[in-house]
Amino acid sequence: QKEVEQNSGPLSVPEGAIASLNCTYSDRGSQSFFWYRQYSGKSPELIMSIYSNGDKEDGRFTAQLNKASQYVSLLIRDSQPSDSATYLCAVNDRGTSYGKLTFGQGTILTVHP
Amino acid sequence: SAVISQKPSRDICQRGTSLTIQCQVDSQVTMMFWYRQQPGQSLTLIATANQGSEATYESGFVIDKFPISRPNLTFSTLTVSNMSPEDSSIYLCSAKTLENTGELFFGEGSRLTVL
Repeated sequence: QKEVEQNSGPLSVPEGAIASLNCTYSDRGSQSFFWYRQYSGKSPELIMSIYSNGDKEDGRFTAQLNKASQYVSLLIRDSQPSDSATYLCAVNDRGTSYGKLTFGQGTILTVHP
Repeated sequence: SAVISQKPSRDICQRGTSLTIQCQVDSQVTMMFWYRQQPGQSLTLIATANQGSEATYESGFVIDKFPISRPNLTFSTLTVSNMSPEDSSIYLCSAKTLENTGELFFGEGSRLTVL
């Protein structure tokens, strides 16, 4: 069974700090990786996607992928209270066209002023 | 991107009844999926809704309990049949767009409470 595991939370960081969220996956054939943010009572929204090894930056967010280690992470710089949410790692096992996403259990992030 | 509308947004149901959730996308999409999110849990895929044919169900989910239809490229329904309190959950419709970036877009979800 293909699995996606996220670091256990909840994670609490002070405002302005870097929040680090980690995710490992079991299927070495996985090809695309996503980070979703879910506010309480809301549906998930995509914040980052990454397909190649290395780093991908978008504003305060940086996704890091290491396929050899089967590891993907999300860094949030200058964390804000509005970043407080559950972050879901999702892995697509057969590329972008046909594969379905498997989600990790989520990490609850709290950014305190 | 895609805007996905679901209805009902929430409902309270009696044990033994069935409820159909509708999902409408504002543009043609390649694939549509139904997920369940139980309280405090992550998303679990129920099935892939295939246009004009039977849905593809994940392990642990069966057609008799969760019949799904997808008559065209922009619409799908999920029925939760013979409900029990264990079916109390949020049901999320999702879709991939024709741009094929791989990302999923989600509807706002349908929160069902079974008494």
